[in-house]
Amino acid sequence: NAGVTQTPKFQVLKTGQSMTLQCAQDMNHNSMYWYRQDPGMGLRLIYYSASEGTTDKGEVPNGYNVSRLNKREFSLRLESAAPSQTSVYFCASSPPTTGGDSPLHFGNGTRLTVT
Amino acid sequence: QKEVEQNSGPLSVPEGAIASLNCTYSDRGSQSFFWYRQYSGKSPELIMSIYSNGDKEDGRFTAQLNKASQYVSLLIRDSQPSDSATYLCAGPPRSSASKIIFGSGTRLSIRP
Repeated sequence: NAGVTQTPKFQVLKTGQSMTLQCAQDMNHNSMYWYRQDPGMGLRLIYYSASEGTTDKGEVPNGYNVSRLNKREFSLRLESAAPSQTSVYFCASSPPTTGGDSPLHFGNGTRLTVT
Repeated sequence: QKEVEQNSGPLSVPEGAIASLNCTYSDRGSQSFFWYRQYSGKSPELIMSIYSNGDKEDGRFTAQLNKASQYVSLLIRDSQPSDSATYLCAGPPRSSASKIIFGSGTRLSIRP
């Protein structure tokens, strides 16, 4: 059981280049998330998808787009990378909220550097 | 105002003492809260979740929720060096149970 798988683990981009971060989960979770984490800061929500076919903006969506390709996969695209997007990106998923525990399951992160 | 706020620390606590971590939130309608632990260079992992006013205990960890005052705390008893990490408070606003917002995290250091 792989859980949440993110690719790539590391990436270096030049300013203006584009790329897509991939995320897949095999736990049949409904909700998926993209966060970024900058040094000394907590996680900031970029976009989330409460269920297949829906996506919503989080706290810091500017400069990013997402696609919920199917229930398993949720990708994050940077159309024109900027140095301010240098960060560690985490994908996460969670089961349906039923009033009980609905913890986030995180991938191992993608360390992105934009020069 | 950020929806979930924490003191960034660092918080230094002697081994064996109680570490107290605090978090405040702005949405009075928020119903559930989570504490995550993150070791340097690793992904966050869930420690505790709490939904009702009062205390919830799990081993050396106790989460406390006070909805009237809009704060949630995490107590770590008998602190161990392995507890040295960043602790992140998180919760969804009432408007969307799926929108999980994190505080900026508190860095905890347990000194021998």
